[in-house]
Parts: sequence; structure tokens; C-alpha cells
Amino acid sequence: DAKTTQPNSMESNEEEPVHLPCNHSTISGTDYIHWYRQLPSQGPEYVIHGLTSNVNNRMASLAIAEDRKSSTLILHRATLRDAAVYYCKPPRGGTSYGKLTFGQGTILTVHP
Amino acid sequence: DAGVTQSPTHLIKTRGQHVTLRCSPISGHKSVSWYQQVLGQGPQFIFQYYEKEERGRGNFPDRFSARQFPNYSSELNVNALLLGDSALYLCASSPVGGRRVGEQFFGPGTRLTVL
Repeated sequence: DAKTTQPNSMESNEEEPVHLPCNHSTISGTDYIHWYRQLPSQGPEYVIHGLTSNVNNRMASLAIAEDRKSSTLILHRATLRDAAVYYCKPPRGGTSYGKLTFGQGTILTVHP
Repeated sequence: DAGVTQSPTHLIKTRGQHVTLRCSPISGHKSVSWYQQVLGQGPQFIFQYYEKEERGRGNFPDRFSARQFPNYSSELNVNALLLGDSALYLCASSPVGGRRVGEQFFGPGTRLTVL
């Protein structure tokens, strides 16, 4: 199970970009990198995932380092609704999507 | 489309009792996973079921068991409850194949309190 390291907390102002880093130095070659977020009093919500190349969707962008030992989730314009705990974690067993394990994540605070 | 539903929303039990938690996946999703989230920590994987078979188990004691029914709904059972079992229990479903493969959809969870 790949070990990940994320900052405990980060802060941002509304309408500004946010870069959330994650180190996963023990990731294997077939492990996808998943990002989820959890808003207060809700279950986790999928944000994005990728393997080697950068990925974009309507919620965010994922920049993956060339050696895959780190990745960065990019929220292009933070809103108050983006305040949440953000989790980065490769799933157990590579592409076993149903076996996610989560660390403590990064608490993102967005200021108006 | 309805999301993942879980019942009950809240539950209070005493030590030694057993509990059954229920989950209905999104229509068409055949994979269901269960997670335990203790206050202040990230969710921890308990079980995954796919096509009514257990496909993975996390580091939880045998007091925890689960099953999946022909309609893909699932139950999580916990016997001989301990105070440390107090947590939010989350169910997630996921499609197998297709455009959204790799994405898990979580329910709102069941808050279990053991006294």
C-alpha cells in the first residue's frame, strides 16, 4: 500500500488558484493516483484521478510529476464551496478502485 | 438519478450488541465497498463486494462481516460491538467499465455510537 504525505492544512482566498500537493514516493508503476474531497457532514466525493499524464475535468486539474512520486491537485478558482478535506491516495492493488485507503488529508480553508 | 443510499442515518448501541447497516448502490453499479471513518481521520477500507463475492478485505477483525444481494445492495454486520467501533460507516458504489470507471460514489454514511 503506497504511503502518501499531504500537508495538514492550507488556506486560500476566494477566486484564487489553489495547489494541493501530495507525495507518494512508494507508488508502484500501475497505481493510479486518486483525489477525493469530503465536505463537512458528507461522504467523500470523487475529484479526479490519473496515471502518468496530466488530467483535467470540470472540477480540477491533476498535475503528475514525471517520476510519479508526487502530484498536485489544482483548483483554478477557489470558491467557498471548495472548503473541504482533500485526500490523495493510490488505491490498494493498483487498479482496484473499490479498495481506496485514505490518510488524514489536507484541510482546505477558503476565505471570502 | 438517485445516489447511494444508506440506512439508518444514526444508530446508538451498547457494548456487546450487534448491528446491521444497509446500503443501496446507484442503479447499474455492481461493486460496493464499505469504509469506517473515525472522527478526525480519513475513511478506512473494510470490504469490497462485486457480483455478490468478496473481492477485498481491509485490516478489520472477524467481528465485521458483509454480504451483497442479487440486486447489488449490501449489508455490513458488526458483532460484539466495542466502544472503538463508534464511527461513521460509509458505503460506496462504483461502475465496472465505462467512462466513469475508477470513480467511487459515496453515500452519506451511518453514524454509529456505541455506549
